[in-house]
Amino acid sequence: EIVLTQSPDFQSVTPKEKVTITCRASQSIGSSLHWYQQKPDQSPKLLIKYASQSISGVPSRFSGSGSGTDFTLTINSLEAEDAATYYCHQSSSFPLTFGGGTKVEIK
Amino acid sequence: QVQLQESGPGLVKPSQTLSLTCTVSGGSISSGGYYWSWIRQHPGKGLEWIGYIYYSGSTYYNPSLKSRVTISVDTSKNQFSLKLSSVTAADTAVYYCAREGGSFDYWGQGTLVTVSS
Repeated sequence: EIVLTQSPDFQSVTPKEKVTITCRASQSIGSSLHWYQQKPDQSPKLLIKYASQSISGVPSRFSGSGSGTDFTLTINSLEAEDAATYYCHQSSSFPLTFGGGTKVEIK
Repeated sequence: QVQLQESGPGLVKPSQTLSLTCTVSGGSISSGGYYWSWIRQHPGKGLEWIGYIYYSGSTYYNPSLKSRVTISVDTSKNQFSLKLSSVTAADTAVYYCAREGGSFDYWGQGTLVTVSS
C-alpha cells in the first residue's frame, strides 16, 4: 500500500499569504496525485488532478507541482474562503489512498 | 452536470449489514470511462477508499475491507450500491459515493451511518 504523508498537519495563515502543502509518497507514483479541498460538513472538492492539471471552476490561485514521490499544493494569496482541510490522493496503485490531511486556518 | 446522492439507513445495529445506494443523475453509468466509488470518513478523521465498480460489474476493493464489502451496480436504475457486513462501532462514518476517472471529480453529499444497538 502506498502511504501518503502530508505536511504540515495544521497551518494558521493570514489572508493574502502564500500557503504550501506537501505530500510525500512512500514509493514513486509518477503524476498520479490529486488534491482536494474539504470544508466543514461538505464533501471533498477536486482542486488539482495529475499533480499539476487545473480544474475548471477552481480559482487560479491554486496550483500543483511535483512528480515521483514529492508533490506540492500552493495557494497563492490566501483568501478567507480557503479555510478548509486539504487532502492528497494517489491513483497509481491499489488500494487507492489519501494523505492524512492539512487543515488551513485563517488568522 | 453529474450529481450523486447517497441513500440508506442512518443507524445500523452491530453485526448487521450496512446497505447504501448511490443514485447518479446527469450522466449514465453505462456510458463507461469511469469507476463508481465508495469512500468513507470516520468522524473527525481522514478519507478511506472502500472500493469501486465499473458499469460492466468489475469491482476493486480495499484489502482492509474486502472480506466484508460487496459493491454492485444496477445500470437500469443508474445506481450502484454498497453492502458492508458484520459492522461494528468502528464502521461508524460518513459514507460518500464518488465518480472516479483517475481523480474523484464528482462526489455525493455524504451520509452518516452510525453503528449502535
